[in-house]
Amino acid sequence: KAGVTQTPRYLIKTRGQQVTLSCSPISGHRSVSWYQQTPGQGLQFLFEYFSETQRNKGNFPGRFSGRQFSNSRSEMNVSTLELGDSALYLCASSLFPGQGVYEQYFGPGTRLTVT
Amino acid sequence: AQSVTQLDSHVSVSEGTPVLLRCNYSSSYSPSLFWYVQHPNKGLQLLLKYTSAATLVKGINGFEAEFKKSETSFHLTKPSAHMSDAAEYFCVVTGSNQGGKLIFGQGTELSVKP
Repeated sequence: KAGVTQTPRYLIKTRGQQVTLSCSPISGHRSVSWYQQTPGQGLQFLFEYFSETQRNKGNFPGRFSGRQFSNSRSEMNVSTLELGDSALYLCASSLFPGQGVYEQYFGPGTRLTVT
Repeated sequence: AQSVTQLDSHVSVSEGTPVLLRCNYSSSYSPSLFWYVQHPNKGLQLLLKYTSAATLVKGINGFEAEFKKSETSFHLTKPSAHMSDAAEYFCVVTGSNQGGKLIFGQGTELSVKP
């Protein structure tokens, strides 16, 4: 069974631009979560989607948004990029959401560099 | 609120010696706890999880962790380190009111010397 895939793997953008990152969950998984990883802040939760609905949101500005499609694929968008948005963005999928009962499997991440 | 503290930012061991990575948690709910590993330029891989069943949890690659409620700890151990164990390890907690949200510790970098 194929794992979580994320595209693109690497991205370089300029301040003020916007970016869209894509995540395809493991086949059959219906819940997708996004995390940001930086050296200073570590791994921080962005949002969680299930059945095309955002169930949970982390403490990030409104420039960060996401959505989930009917096939469970998810995208996240960052508008008006800032230098501090440079990070590894990780997507995780699980069968269902649910308080740790279902394991979350992570993709390889998208490395975003903002110049 | 839930949180995790990894007590060492860096641990160095020799190949063949035991590994101990320490984690304390704080949770106002009955927690689920995990250990993930991240090799350089890779995503996160689940090593093991605790979800209120047996307190001693066995994971992949010979790792195990023991849930100690009285000490609010969930330390990761391995009897004998391999060079391939060199990576960053994250202790993670989720609580009953957090949905699928994972709360990560700051990570412990494990170095293995030949």
